[in-house]
Amino acid sequence: TQLLEQSPQFLSIQEGENLTVYCNSSSVFSSLQWYRQEPGEGPVLLVTVVTGGEVKKLKRLTFQFGDARKDSSLHITAAQPGDTGLYLCAGAAGGTSYGKLTFGQGTILTVHP
Amino acid sequence: DAGITQSPRYKITETGRQVTLMCHQTWSHSYMFWYRQDLGHGLRLIYYSAAADITDKGEVPDGYVVSRSKTENFPLTLESATRSQTSVYFCASSDGVSGNTIYFGEGSWLTVV
Repeated sequence: TQLLEQSPQFLSIQEGENLTVYCNSSSVFSSLQWYRQEPGEGPVLLVTVVTGGEVKKLKRLTFQFGDARKDSSLHITAAQPGDTGLYLCAGAAGGTSYGKLTFGQGTILTVHP
Repeated sequence: DAGITQSPRYKITETGRQVTLMCHQTWSHSYMFWYRQDLGHGLRLIYYSAAADITDKGEVPDGYVVSRSKTENFPLTLESATRSQTSVYFCASSDGVSGNTIYFGEGSWLTVV
């Protein structure tokens, strides 16, 4: 069974601060995804990283896939209250495991004005 | 664009009763999934389906039954509900070609008393 360890589980910061969320595993993934989930809603895909060492940017969010495709990070620059939510990483094993994602436990981010 | 819809959104049932959660998608996606979300566990895959009449177990299938007679529908049945099945259930779908991109429904909150 593949496991994804996500940290920290909780993060409470002030507006304007930077933060990083980590997602680590001993397993190799064919791709890794980051989701954001609002209360009462389903997760919404933010980004998919596929290549080892890949870096993707989405406005103030920077996503990185580790060289060995076992870990990933999400960095938010100058956090805003609108960034508040649950962030989830999810790894895909690939091949016949299409769509069968392994999720991390999630990081609850609260950004205070 | 209705997307993926789940019903009921909220359900309270008694231990031992049978409960069916419905999932309907309008995209004609070949893949469909059922996940449950519990605090501290992230999302865990219950069952998935690669096409109509093709289903397979995920990480936590015990106590659940699925069927997929039509591409657009993927109901999840709890044959004899237990308190440990109190959770938020998410249905999801994917077209199978978008790099493991899956789309989640809004969730069904189930409480077993």
